[in-house]
Amino acid sequence: GIQVEQSPPDLILQEGANSTLRCNFSDSVNNLQWFHQNPWGQLINLFYIPSGTKQNGRLSATTVATERYSLLYISSSQTTDSGVYFCAVEGGSQGNLIFGKGTKLSVKP
Amino acid sequence: ETGVTQSPTHLIKTRGQQVTLRCSSQSGHNTVSWYQQALGQGPQFIFQYYREEENGRGNFPPRFSGLQFPNYSSELNVNALELDDSALYLCASSYGLATYNEQFFGPGTRLTVL
Repeated sequence: GIQVEQSPPDLILQEGANSTLRCNFSDSVNNLQWFHQNPWGQLINLFYIPSGTKQNGRLSATTVATERYSLLYISSSQTTDSGVYFCAVEGGSQGNLIFGKGTKLSVKP
Repeated sequence: ETGVTQSPTHLIKTRGQQVTLRCSSQSGHNTVSWYQQALGQGPQFIFQYYREEENGRGNFPPRFSGLQFPNYSSELNVNALELDDSALYLCASSYGLATYNEQFFGPGTRLTVL
């Protein structure tokens, strides 16, 4: 099956710093999503981005499907950005999502 | 537009018991998928229901079963609970299969098995 690897596993930033999170996947996919999981467990949709580049405020994402990776950029980080960021790709004929292990981000004031 | 809702929020059961978790899909969505998230891990796919039929299943034993109703809400049933079933259970809905469609997640049910 498809493998999804996220890096780094942990990231500590000072408020105001920028960061880049990476997601590598082992096969071609039709669907890729980025999520932020808050401390209560809610998965919040950030981007639906099978290919190309999208921006939403301080966050942007780029997926290069031919090279099987996606990047999530966070600029001017805030303490509310803390949490776990997951990349998930569509996993096969039934269309389920396969998740990476996540990047745990801590933003210090 | 109503988002995905789940009930209950938290649940404590003992080993061997049975549990039913519920999910209401986002309005306009006809597909519900269930995921199990153990502590410190990413969510793992359990199964998916599309138009009231099971459309796919992950690597979970038959004691994990489900239903989807005509209004597209869904239930996850787990029989003979084991300690390792303790996890956050998430449901996600989409319009059509997730192959080409964005999935939206509910807040989850946290199950503790003692």
